[in-house]
Amino acid sequence: GESVGLHLPTLSVQEGDNSIINCAYSNSASDYFIWYKQESGKGPQFIIDIRSNMDKRQGQRVTVLLNKTVKHLSLQIAATQPGDSAVYFCAENMGYTGGFKTIFGAGTRLFVKA
Amino acid sequence: GAGVSQSPSNKVTEKGKDVELRCDPISGHTALYWYRQSLGQGLEFLIYFQGNSAPDKSGLPSDRFSAERTGGSVSTLTIQRTQQEDSAVYLCASSPRQLARSYNEQFFGPGTRLTVL
Repeated sequence: GESVGLHLPTLSVQEGDNSIINCAYSNSASDYFIWYKQESGKGPQFIIDIRSNMDKRQGQRVTVLLNKTVKHLSLQIAATQPGDSAVYFCAENMGYTGGFKTIFGAGTRLFVKA
Repeated sequence: GAGVSQSPSNKVTEKGKDVELRCDPISGHTALYWYRQSLGQGLEFLIYFQGNSAPDKSGLPSDRFSAERTGGSVSTLTIQRTQQEDSAVYLCASSPRQLARSYNEQFFGPGTRLTVL
């Protein structure tokens, strides 16, 4: 069935190192992908997005890469900081009759060691 | 307020009781979503509203769950005859609009933590 999943449920990195969080999706018709960050006790917050006509998009310290050939999405965080510790979700927007639906992946918990 | 608000923030209830969870979306946002998040899990889509269109209820897990949105703004998620497996965080999100192939992010509220004893 359709799914968005993550390869690693947890990731531990040293402060200052770069982090890479991976995501696989299965719907080749999805045309919009989003990364969300969820801190403890809060709702998810938008980090960065990418449309299917792009391979790479950069934000402040974050980069999203999209490989449509293998249906893979990744989030790269440069110079990871303690404040980056959170759960990260990838999501894809899938069209269907009447609109579209957002499907979230299972999430990866990022631990940043000082 | 500037963001999506939800109330209550925490709700403890006894098995078999009904509960109502409220969501106030960002003013002007026409799309509203409800999700359920069990401890340490991802987001499970429940239902979404878009303007005056019929809601997409495809994610509701059983007929004990229902939701309404009055006047295109505030939404209430109702769970009847709650069960222990209903314990989770219920998240609401809103989006400016939702069109086919629309590239819109969702703005989430802080969630309501429901505990069914």
